[in-house]
Amino acid sequence: EDQVTQSPEALRLQEGESSSLNCSYTVSGLRGLFWYRQDPGKGPEFLFTLYSAGEEKEKERLKATLTKKESFLHITAPKPEDSATYLCAVQANNAGKSTFGDGTTLTVKP
Amino acid sequence: DAGVIQSPRHEVTEMGQEVTLRCKPISGHDYLFWYRQTMMRGLELLIYFNNNVPIDDSGMPEDRFSAKMPNASFSTLKIQPSEPRDSAVYFCASSLSGTGSEKLFFGSGTQLSVL
Repeated sequence: EDQVTQSPEALRLQEGESSSLNCSYTVSGLRGLFWYRQDPGKGPEFLFTLYSAGEEKEKERLKATLTKKESFLHITAPKPEDSATYLCAVQANNAGKSTFGDGTTLTVKP
Repeated sequence: DAGVIQSPRHEVTEMGQEVTLRCKPISGHDYLFWYRQTMMRGLELLIYFNNNVPIDDSGMPEDRFSAKMPNASFSTLKIQPSEPRDSAVYFCASSLSGTGSEKLFFGSGTQLSVL
């Protein structure tokens, strides 16, 4: 059974204080690993897809990386508007569905 | 495109009543998913469809839950009878296969409260 574990559960940063979120996974053949952002009262919004170990994707202050066992979401010089819950999900080969982790709630204080 | 549209946004009902949640996926998408989100259990997949056909309903909690997709532009999730433990946010999502990423597009969710 596919499993996704995210850490930490919650992270509080000062504006400009860089950090990383972790997503550990077990899957029988990875088709893709996804990062989503969820704001309160809204549905998750897609950020990145990573397919193979060593791959990296960047968007503004966010950079996602992937190894064979985990993924990191690096946040560089965060701003208060980066506050949200970040969800990681994996999809196995020949699977139509994604399995989600419980998320990391990020709070960035000005 | 307007994105995935869910209705209602909020639903408050009494235990034992029937609840119907509705979803309109993004036009052209061939996968549709129903998820439930709670603080205790996170985001759980209930059921998903491919080309209007249910593929995996192993996440449906029990027989009180049923889902249909009569056509490519509409799906319903029904709970009958509802119970307080069904209180959660229910999300519908759709995706397009063959693009290499199968990223999900989520609706805004239905906040269900069963009293």
